[in-house]
Amino acid sequence: EVQIVESGGGLVQPGGSLRLSCSASGFTFRDYTFHWVRQAPGKGLEYVSTIGYKGGTTYYADTVKGRFTISRDNSKSTLSLQMNSLGAEDTAVYYCVKARSFGELYAPGDYWGQGTRVTVSS
Amino acid sequence: DIVMTQSPDSLGASLGERATISCKSSQSVLSTSNNKSYLAWYQHKPGQPPKLLVYWASTRESGVPARFSGSGSGTDFTLTIRSLQAEDVAVYFCQQYYSTPFTFGPGTKVDIK
Repeated sequence: EVQIVESGGGLVQPGGSLRLSCSASGFTFRDYTFHWVRQAPGKGLEYVSTIGYKGGTTYYADTVKGRFTISRDNSKSTLSLQMNSLGAEDTAVYYCVKARSFGELYAPGDYWGQGTRVTVSS
Repeated sequence: DIVMTQSPDSLGASLGERATISCKSSQSVLSTSNNKSYLAWYQHKPGQPPKLLVYWASTRESGVPARFSGSGSGTDFTLTIRSLQAEDVAVYFCQQYYSTPFTFGPGTKVDIK
């Protein structure tokens, strides 16, 4: 059974940093691209970032580029999102999302974690 | 960036009725190399993570009821719920995965009338 679990969310002050983690099991982690997607309160889904299955290819939304860094450790089946210079606009539930297709970068998400909540407030 | 739009913002339909949601992309998401449109549909219920319903614009994900169908190509897409059930109450999002950033539509809220 595929399981995806995010952690690391919480309350952080504006300008602060937070590191989200995602652990995955039930499939061969190193074979799949992963995405981070977020949903701000009362808003729709917003794409955040993508990392290819080898970790060498990464993409970011313009709203987080230069502040967020996505990474993965295939030996531990974990994904991370380092978030710096956080602002109120980053307040959201962050979802870790497995891409559907083996080895494909351009693929939708077929398994989503339950999400971890990030609140940026003083 | 490719901008995704959806209509309507919300819709109410009676149980058993057909519900239709439109999604448009600001540029084509059809690949000429494989003739596939890089368009997915998700269902999102409160308190749950989004669920993939359709990918490649018209391929139903495994386990998704047959009453859900996707159609369209290029820039214009449709998600149809053939016979609306109570458990279909949710927000539906389209997403293009043709080019990064993989943008989402704003969502369509579906309720029972």
